[in-house]
Amino acid sequence: SQQGEEDPQALSIQEGENATMNCSYKTSINNLQWYRQNSGRGLVHLILIRSNEREKHSGRLRVTLDTSKKSSSLLITASRAADTASYFCATDANDYKLSFGAGTTVTVRA
Amino acid sequence: EPEVTQTPSHQVTQMGQEVILRCVPISNHLYFYWYRQILGQKVEFLVSFYNNEISEKSEIFDDQFSVERPDGSNFTLKIRSTKLEDSAMYFCARQGASSADTQYFGPGTRLTVL
Repeated sequence: SQQGEEDPQALSIQEGENATMNCSYKTSINNLQWYRQNSGRGLVHLILIRSNEREKHSGRLRVTLDTSKKSSSLLITASRAADTASYFCATDANDYKLSFGAGTTVTVRA
Repeated sequence: EPEVTQTPSHQVTQMGQEVILRCVPISNHLYFYWYRQILGQKVEFLVSFYNNEISEKSEIFDDQFSVERPDGSNFTLKIRSTKLEDSAMYFCARQGASSADTQYFGPGTRLTVL
């Protein structure tokens, strides 16, 4: 299996702090995608990083990818209460499916 | 990006009954997917659909499941005889022209099997 696995499982931070979560996977990938899910809701796409990219930014989000270590990180800067959600990495090995990790639950305290 | 919509948002059914989950409307996209998420668990791939054919399916996608795109827009997932363990959120996703593109998910259908 090439499923992504996130670390930590849960993260609690104060509003304004940065949140960092990591994702590891097992096999070669075409791209890696990060999603957010609010409790009981749908999956919102955050960012896609391709295997030949090392870093991408989108607003307060910064994603890195290290294919030699088979790992990725998602950094949320200056967190807000609205960032409270579960965050998932999903790997795409160009085989017509995404493999999801178990997610990191982020709680941002006001 | 055009959104993916799903109906119904919540479906309650009796064990053994057939359910049809719908993904609407879809246009100008080639790749479609169904995933499911049992409460508190990972999102799991069920099936991918390209050019009106199944591209790949997981072990979960057994003979009780089927997908089709009957009218060129709606993309449906049918479960013929539901089991208690089919209770989950079911997500439809779409993708653009390349399998390397982002997958955009719908809001999901919560299926409860009693």
